Amino acid sequence: AQTVTQSQPEMSVQEAETVTLSCTYDTSESDYYLFWYKQPPSRQMILVIRQEAYKQQNATENRFSVNFQKAAKSFSLKISDSQLGDAAMYFCAYRSRGSSNTGKLIFGQGTTLQVKP
Amino acid sequence: EAGVAQSPRYKIIEKRQSVAFWCNPISGHATLYWYQQILGQGPKLLIQFQNNGVVDDSQLPKDRFSAERLKGVDSTLKIQPAKLEDSAVYLCASSFYAFWGVDEKLFFGSGTQLSVL
Repeated sequence: AQTVTQSQPEMSVQEAETVTLSCTYDTSESDYYLFWYKQPPSRQMILVIRQEAYKQQNATENRFSVNFQKAAKSFSLKISDSQLGDAAMYFCAYRSRGSSNTGKLIFGQGTTLQVKP
Repeated sequence: EAGVAQSPRYKIIEKRQSVAFWCNPISGHATLYWYQQILGQGPKLLIQFQNNGVVDDSQLPKDRFSAERLKGVDSTLKIQPAKLEDSAVYLCASSFYAFWGVDEKLFFGSGTQLSVL
C-alpha cells in the first residue's frame, strides 16, 4: 500500500521570502502522479502543482516549484516570494497511474504554513 | 462553471444520532468521491462512485456509514449512529472521466464540518 508522509506539522515564513515544504512517500509502483494541494480556511482543496513520475524535469507553476527525487521518494514544494495569501494547510498527495489508477488520492498529514508580514 | 456543492456547511449532533450530508458534483462528472478529514490529518477516501456504481468502499465503516448516488448525479453520505470519533470534515470531490489511466482533475467542494458531542 502507498503511504505519504509530511514530517513538518507547521512552518512559517516571512513575506517575500522562500519556504520549502517536505514530503516523502512509499510505493512499489513505478508510474504515478504526485500533487501539492492547498487548503485555506474555506476548506476547499486547491491544486497547486502536479508531477508525473516518468518526467525527470521538475514541475513549476509561477512562484511554486517542486524538487522531485524519485529514487529517494521525496517530493518537496518550494514557494518563492511568499505572499500573505499563501497561508494555508498544504497537502502532499499520491495517485497511481495506468491500470492501477482509479483516481483515488492518498494524502499526507498536511503542513500548516504561516506567512508573517 | 458551477463547482461541487455540499450541504450543510456545519452540523452539530450528539453521539448515537443520525446525520446525512449531500453533494452535488459538477454537471457531467462521472466519478464522485467522499473523503473524511479528521482534524490534524489528511483526507482519507471513504467511498468512490463511478456513475451510480461503487468503485471503492474499502475504508467505509459499513456498520454505521452508508452512501448512495442515485441516477449517477448527486450523492448522500449517512452516519447512523454517530460516534465521537466521526467528528471531521467530510469532503466531496468529482471528476469528469470514468476511464482509468486518464489523468483527470479532481474538483473539491468546501466540505461539511461535523461535530459529534
